Amino acid sequence: AQSVTQLDSQVPVFEEAPVELRCNYSSSVSVYLFWYVQYPNQGLQLLLKYLSGSTLVKGINGFEAEFNKSQTSFHLRKPSVHISDTAEYFCAVKGNQAGTALIFGKGTTLSVSS
Amino acid sequence: DTGVSQDPRHKITKRGQNVTFRCDPISEHNRLYWYRQTLGQGPEFLTYFQNEAQLEKSRLLSDRFSAERPKGSFSTLEIQRTEQGDSAMYLCASSLDPYGYTFGSGTRLTVV
Repeated sequence: AQSVTQLDSQVPVFEEAPVELRCNYSSSVSVYLFWYVQYPNQGLQLLLKYLSGSTLVKGINGFEAEFNKSQTSFHLRKPSVHISDTAEYFCAVKGNQAGTALIFGKGTTLSVSS
Repeated sequence: DTGVSQDPRHKITKRGQNVTFRCDPISEHNRLYWYRQTLGQGPEFLTYFQNEAQLEKSRLLSDRFSAERPKGSFSTLEIQRTEQGDSAMYLCASSLDPYGYTFGSGTRLTVV
């Protein structure tokens, strides 16, 4: 079975500052990793995913994440945030075996202020 | 491609009543998933269909919950004898492969 731990429930940051949202995972098999964003009263939108290959993954809206197998981490970063990045961010993991479900962390609320 | 559509967007029901939600996936997507999201939590997996076959069910899906996907197209999620603990956002997602989930906007259920 897989599990995800998002280490920060809330991250306040000023506009144009860099941000890192931390995610650790646990799994007995190889995994695929994802970051989703959820704006108020909306569904989840995929930011980026790691399936294989380069451990640095670039996504939409200027976000990127780095897969670190030895530390079982998949932290999300953005060098300069905007007010519009204020949202809930979810890290998710899926085992590479057929039929395993996408498992989400509890989320991190990113609040960007001016 | 109009995305994943869920209906209704909001549902308020009295405890003990039955409710049914509908999800229309992206037309060419053969995989369909239901998740439940409570306030302050991440989405929790409920069940998964590939075409019309229900291949996986979470232990969260008690016998009051049932999901169907007739003909491998739209899906319904029914909750019988609703309880206040059923109040949540119910999310549907579809995909063509195991990795590219597209989520709908969800149905928010309030049990009073």
